[in-house]
Amino acid sequence: EAEVAQSPRYKITEKSQAVAFWCDPISGHATLYWYRQILGQGPELLVQFQDESVVDDSQLPKDRFSAERLKGVDSTLKIQPAELGDSAMYLCASSLGRGPTEAFFGQGTRLTVV
Amino acid sequence: AQSVAQPEDQVNVAEGNPLTVKCTYSVSGNPYLFWYVQYPNRGLQFLLKYITGDNLVKGSYGFEAEFNKSQTSFHLKKPSALVSDSALYFCAVRDGYSSASKIIFGSGTRLSIRP
Repeated sequence: EAEVAQSPRYKITEKSQAVAFWCDPISGHATLYWYRQILGQGPELLVQFQDESVVDDSQLPKDRFSAERLKGVDSTLKIQPAELGDSAMYLCASSLGRGPTEAFFGQGTRLTVV
Repeated sequence: AQSVAQPEDQVNVAEGNPLTVKCTYSVSGNPYLFWYVQYPNRGLQFLLKYITGDNLVKGSYGFEAEFNKSQTSFHLKKPSALVSDSALYFCAVRDGYSSASKIIFGSGTRLSIRP
């Protein structure tokens, strides 16, 4: 069964350092999402791609966060510099990109900033 | 703006009893609704969806959900709960038909099934 791949699963970093997460969506899925989930809360959309184009990044803190999907396949989310408040689960998801289909999620990256 | 509300932070049910996890939504157009389940330190797993058609939709692991347009609700149900159903459940709504539409999640409901 096809899955969304994310790495790393866990990351501990010191504040003010840079950190990056990688996501490989299900093959053929045109839409890719990055969500942030604080413990015990619902996922919050950070950025959404349609192929290689950003369609929504209204909740992305652009002073420190960046995301790219250069060839419209895999994607990287970067934080520089990391802050203590960035500690959360970062979830990547993908969907077919045609119509109101469901999104499929990866296992997530648990980030701890110390 | 589109939104989803899950009014209960936690639901406790005895094994073998029926369970209901509540969800209400607010959208400007047609609702496209989803339920997901999350186990500790894992991503979200898709359970079921309502796009159009029958108001009762069936999904994975014996779960079903009832769409009620007049009450703007999409409650998740299961006739007989299992201890293994204990997890965090999220209701979600797409804010439009196009693939560019966002998927907005509720705050989650923790389901606890006691043996």
